[in-house]
Amino acid sequence: EVQVVESGGDLVQPGRSLRLSCTASGFTFDDYAMSWFRQAPGKGLEWVGFIRSKPYGGTPEYTASVRGRFTISTDGSKSIAYLQMNSLKTEDTAVYYCARAHLWNLQYYFDYWGQGTLVTVSS
Amino acid sequence: EIVLTQSPGTLSLSPGERATLSCRASQSVSSGHLAWYQQKPGQAPRLLIYAASTRATDIPDRFSGSGSGTDFTLTISRLEPEDFAVYYCQQYTASPPLFTFGPGTKVDIK
Repeated sequence: EVQVVESGGDLVQPGRSLRLSCTASGFTFDDYAMSWFRQAPGKGLEWVGFIRSKPYGGTPEYTASVRGRFTISTDGSKSIAYLQMNSLKTEDTAVYYCARAHLWNLQYYFDYWGQGTLVTVSS
Repeated sequence: EIVLTQSPGTLSLSPGERATLSCRASQSVSSGHLAWYQQKPGQAPRLLIYAASTRATDIPDRFSGSGSGTDFTLTISRLEPEDFAVYYCQQYTASPPLFTFGPGTKVDIK
């Protein structure tokens, strides 16, 4: 059974850092891209970034609002994807979701999602 | 950047009725890079449709997607009680990679 489980959410002060983890199981981790999304309280979904699978270079991409502050990485030996968040702002407050990204016919779609982890940025 | 607009914002229907949800893009979405997700309160999104019209694994056939270019539709042929939720469309641009979501349509019980 495919599962992705996020962890690491917390209350953190503006300007501080936090690292989220996404632990995957039930599939060959290195064969898939992994993506992060977020959803601010009462708002819609926002893509944060993703990291390509190893066969496709293992390189990350980010949405503009987090580029330079957030970093996505993976540890294939542990089947974990990380989201390192630096210089956090109050507007980064959200539930953060991790999802498996399936590459099909040159497009990605997100077929398995975790339950989310809450990040609150507040003084 | 492609902007997605969804209508209506809220759709009030009864179980057994047909739901038609619209997603319009500000520019043409290439090669059907359009997906639909369902989200219930307190839950993660669930993939329903990808490539505009292909049902994801284990999605009931009462859900169908259609459209191309800038206009896409998600249809739920007969609403079941578990279908009352928020539905998001999402598109993918390959260069540079960017995924954007529409604001969502809430389907609630009339």
